[in-house]
Amino acid sequence: DAGVTQSPTHLIKTRGQQVTLRCSPKSGHDTVSWYQQALGQGPQFIFQYYEEEERQRGNFPDRFSGHQFPNYSSELNVNALLLGDSALYLCASSSSGVSPLHFGNGTRLTVT
Amino acid sequence: AQKITQTQPGMFVQEKEAVTLDCTYDTSDPSYGLFWYKQPSSGEMIFLIYQGSYDQQNATEGRYSLNFQKARKSANLVISASQLGDSAMYFCAMRDNYGQNFVFGPGTRLSVLP
Repeated sequence: DAGVTQSPTHLIKTRGQQVTLRCSPKSGHDTVSWYQQALGQGPQFIFQYYEEEERQRGNFPDRFSGHQFPNYSSELNVNALLLGDSALYLCASSSSGVSPLHFGNGTRLTVT
Repeated sequence: AQKITQTQPGMFVQEKEAVTLDCTYDTSDPSYGLFWYKQPSSGEMIFLIYQGSYDQQNATEGRYSLNFQKARKSANLVISASQLGDSAMYFCAMRDNYGQNFVFGPGTRLSVLP
């Protein structure tokens, strides 16, 4: 039973560029949430997708956008990268938004 | 707004001893869920234990137990018989009433000494 998988594991981008991160949820899960975790801090909620729609959004600018596909996988897109976007990006899946979140190993994004 | 506070940035415990990691929370919702996650240096967040706000008994999962004191708004994690592999960051989190957003605390770094 595959858990949550994220790709890539590491990424280095230059300020102003755009990046796309990918996530496949745990088998049987239909809800995907994205979190940003800066070094030494707890994860911060970016947004959640259910039935291919953004259901709730945290306090992040419009530069952060996402998508969920019919197979429940999801992408996180960040435009016009800033140095402050450097962080570990965690994808988490759950069943219909309830139950514990199951996390992937994350994508570590470095913006130079 | 919901908030999680973890006042212990770092904790040390001797192998085989028990340790308590503190967590207090703030919410105006009558229904909520409280969670603890472990994050090893690899980065993955591992679910440990869950407590619902209406649960009458404290949750237990193997060596993990949650000391839930609703009136004090605290949900401390107790790890019994600590093992070297328990060394990691531990995060307390709350799920809002709609189940769509988890709020995490700043975490506590636990170091288990041999």
